[in-house]
Amino acid sequence: GAGVSQSPSNKVTEKGKDVELRCDPISGHTALYWYRQRLGQGLEFLIYFQGNSAPDKSGLPSDRFSAERTGESVSTLTIQRTQQEDSAVYLCASSLEKWGAATDTQYFGPGTRLTVL
Amino acid sequence: AQKVTQAQTEISVVEKEDVTLDCVYETRDTTYYLFWYKQPPSGELVFLIRRNSFDEQNEISGRYSWNFQKSTSSFNFTITASQVVDSAVYFCALSPLISSGSARQLTFGSGTQLTVLP
Repeated sequence: GAGVSQSPSNKVTEKGKDVELRCDPISGHTALYWYRQRLGQGLEFLIYFQGNSAPDKSGLPSDRFSAERTGESVSTLTIQRTQQEDSAVYLCASSLEKWGAATDTQYFGPGTRLTVL
Repeated sequence: AQKVTQAQTEISVVEKEDVTLDCVYETRDTTYYLFWYKQPPSGELVFLIRRNSFDEQNEISGRYSWNFQKSTSSFNFTITASQVVDSAVYFCALSPLISSGSARQLTFGSGTQLTVLP
């Protein structure tokens, strides 16, 4: 089957605008993660969804960041009033893990490169 | 708290040389997973390997091998007879093995940029 897909692949926006990033996980994967990767750095965890449970938002850097996911399908990450420091690659990952069970391997999408001018 | 350290920021080798990428981790979890991912210039993270904390057996897959030593909290990655196509950023990562309530997010190192010269 297809891997994790993300859209758009690139997004250039002006400071202060809102942006929405989309992630399509691998079919059947219950867990979905968003990460941010600033230039030349490792990945920072943002948010985690597992099935219909309440998401873990502990990694979101500010209240300008939010994400939604309906069931085990598509997720959208929204950044409101974008700032230049939001410029980064936003990566989505999904895995097969079940709630309460052992963690599983995360498979990553190609990312969305966000540039805030 | 979890932490992964990849002290080598950049490594440059000539094709066919062997190269080892270091990874040292810190965790309070008694059970955990360790991972290596490859990020080629295209940007997509490619999963390479996952090891759990109670399996210290070293693993070999083709030209790749991994040395997990719990006593030194290290999970090093060796590429034998390197090739130009191996040029990429390599990330070591750590996650709890079982976590009933919170996210099982990966904690990443800062990555090692490997350049293999022809």
